[in-house]
Amino acid sequence: DSGVTQTPKHLITATGQRVTLRCSPRSGDLSVYWYQQSLDQGLQFLIQYYNGEERAKGNILERFSAQQFPDLHSELNLSSLELGDSALYFCASSLGQGGHNEQFFGPGTRLTVL
Amino acid sequence: AQTVTQSQPEMSVQEAETVTLSCTYDTSESDYYLFWYKQPPSRQMILVIRQEAYKQQNATENRFSVNFQKAAKSFSLKISDSQLGDAAMYFCAYFPRGEETSGSRLTFGEGTQLTVNP
Repeated sequence: DSGVTQTPKHLITATGQRVTLRCSPRSGDLSVYWYQQSLDQGLQFLIQYYNGEERAKGNILERFSAQQFPDLHSELNLSSLELGDSALYFCASSLGQGGHNEQFFGPGTRLTVL
Repeated sequence: AQTVTQSQPEMSVQEAETVTLSCTYDTSESDYYLFWYKQPPSRQMILVIRQEAYKQQNATENRFSVNFQKAAKSFSLKISDSQLGDAAMYFCAYFPRGEETSGSRLTFGEGTQLTVNP
């Protein structure tokens, strides 16, 4: 158990819908990262927050957005869902931002878009 | 942009034997971190080992060790005395050091699926 929790574990929805994925980082961790793992794109970085502020952005679609709240939990919002958005979405947290801070991964949310 | 390449989609090893997984990367940075992550069938991402580029000594964690060749931009993982529990997808990953205050991210390779045969 990494100490990072993600809810829900599984999500099945239809095209065009909107969903929210939630992540609670390890106690004391200030940095939250979101990654997408799909069959055709592999593991890709989406976005990073540090202490409530967006700090880095990857290939995140405009239909996707995220935020980190004052209690440091984070939410990833996916809208106008397409079949290709089906993937495993990971949240990871670390104490700080640098590579010397190990990123601890949550168990992921499996999103299926039908 | 940094890229990470794992040229072996699949590898297999006999239990108790040694196997080496390959990884190459491309970067213009001089200082960075390299990682190997393990993803078993549970899909949980688990850090196996970390290497800091400015350290010449190869990292070792129990049965896991790396061969870091900075000039060749190569970072291989050696698993000794392979166990059934080592069966998993292994990902090589890169993290730039220079962006510690401005934010950055892990860049992953495509992964190598390791099978351990009894």
